[in-house]
Amino acid sequence: DQQVKQNSPSLSVQEGRISILNCDYTNSMFDYFLWYKKYPAEGPTFLISISSIKDKNEDGRFTVFLNKSAKHLSLHIVPSQPGDSAVYFCAASGDNNDMRFGAGTRLTVKP
Amino acid sequence: NAGVTQTPKFRVLKTGQSMTLLCAQDMNHEYMYWYRQDPGMGLRLIHYSVGEGTTAKGEVPDGYNVSRLKKQNFLLGLESAAPSQTSVYFCASSRDFSYEQYFGPGTRLTVT
Repeated sequence: DQQVKQNSPSLSVQEGRISILNCDYTNSMFDYFLWYKKYPAEGPTFLISISSIKDKNEDGRFTVFLNKSAKHLSLHIVPSQPGDSAVYFCAASGDNNDMRFGAGTRLTVKP
Repeated sequence: NAGVTQTPKFRVLKTGQSMTLLCAQDMNHEYMYWYRQDPGMGLRLIHYSVGEGTTAKGEVPDGYNVSRLKKQNFLLGLESAAPSQTSVYFCASSRDFSYEQYFGPGTRLTVT
């Protein structure tokens, strides 16, 4: 069962515009959420995280929003740059050392 | 610092053969992990370790064994490879379970 879902396999945006990547989860025991970015032939790299006690966390151009009641989180990238083109994974973890990843969304930022 | 390294980068096995993937980290992290990535399924946790000498099962542990004899190394073994184990394998480490994980570059394994 996929407890973390990224329903959009791909997203294309114009350089300078906002990219919004979405993630839904089903397990209410998850209390920490992370976003990773992955380039081809490389391992994922950590981007930003958020604890369930917060609803927003910001780091430069990247902001993660968490809506606990909807079991939904989103990653906003503003402004988007061609170097942001990659696959983005959301991940969720809980107290029982259960780490689950979504299937990923491929972001393409067009110059 | 090399971060997290994985050996080998590529491997082709025949069904029934065995092999060991080696992961090494130089960040003195307590936690280490093995994941597999398959198309459309994201990363799935195979096994993890919370410290030297410890191992625990993740989401998809069947067909794999692991060992953490030294803090900096985490080994993933396949005793009898099956075509269903064709995948890209990633090792990762972190200072705590929920904190950011540092990933290696991956090992692409094909079982024919």
